[in-house]
Amino acid sequence: DIVLTQSPGTLSLSPGERATLSCRASQSISSSFLAWYQQRPGQAPRLLIYATSSRATGIPDRFSGSGSGTDFTLTISRLEPDDFAVYYCHQYGSSPGAFGQGTKVEI
Amino acid sequence: QVHLQESGPGLVKPSETLSLTCSVSGGSLRGGSYSWNWIRQPPGKGLEWIGYIYYTGSTNYNPSLKSRFTISIDTSTNQFSLKVTSVTAADTATYYCARGSPYQPLLNWGQGTLVTVSS
Repeated sequence: DIVLTQSPGTLSLSPGERATLSCRASQSISSSFLAWYQQRPGQAPRLLIYATSSRATGIPDRFSGSGSGTDFTLTISRLEPDDFAVYYCHQYGSSPGAFGQGTKVEI
Repeated sequence: QVHLQESGPGLVKPSETLSLTCSVSGGSLRGGSYSWNWIRQPPGKGLEWIGYIYYTGSTNYNPSLKSRFTISIDTSTNQFSLKVTSVTAADTATYYCARGSPYQPLLNWGQGTLVTVSS
């Protein structure tokens, strides 16, 4: 099974700053099958990025994804107040689908 | 736009069976090659994929959980369900239903329902 490890566990930043979140896979993943979700407190996860770098409908362009093989990155170029949340990476190319343990972006 | 809504008991006793239902509106369970998924999240922890079902009844489960979890589907009521047998405190979690597709991420999620296992 593929294991996803996210780092850091918590990222403490201020509005307007850049956030860089990492997701490392235990084995190589096709870039077509790596997604990122945002989860605000008390809410369900929301799809941000799929296929490593494609933004889901309605997601602002300050969110971007990159990476290949075993190393993937979610970048938030300028943090806005609504962006302070937990972010999960997700591989969906092989079964069982796996999520990372999450990175909390806090003020 | 498809909408998913979980329902079920908020409290279950240890060793009992937990039953949850996901009601789907704005789309048919029979339409398209969609997978209908269950995911859970223990309080303060990360997401764990449980499994999915297609409208044909074909299922796929997380091997680490398979033996106690059963997903079923009722296309006549546009609902799919999750049963968890012999629950313990470790099954306390928010349970989400979600729609996926082969080799696609989970785009549509329900709001989640918190289930607590306690006597």
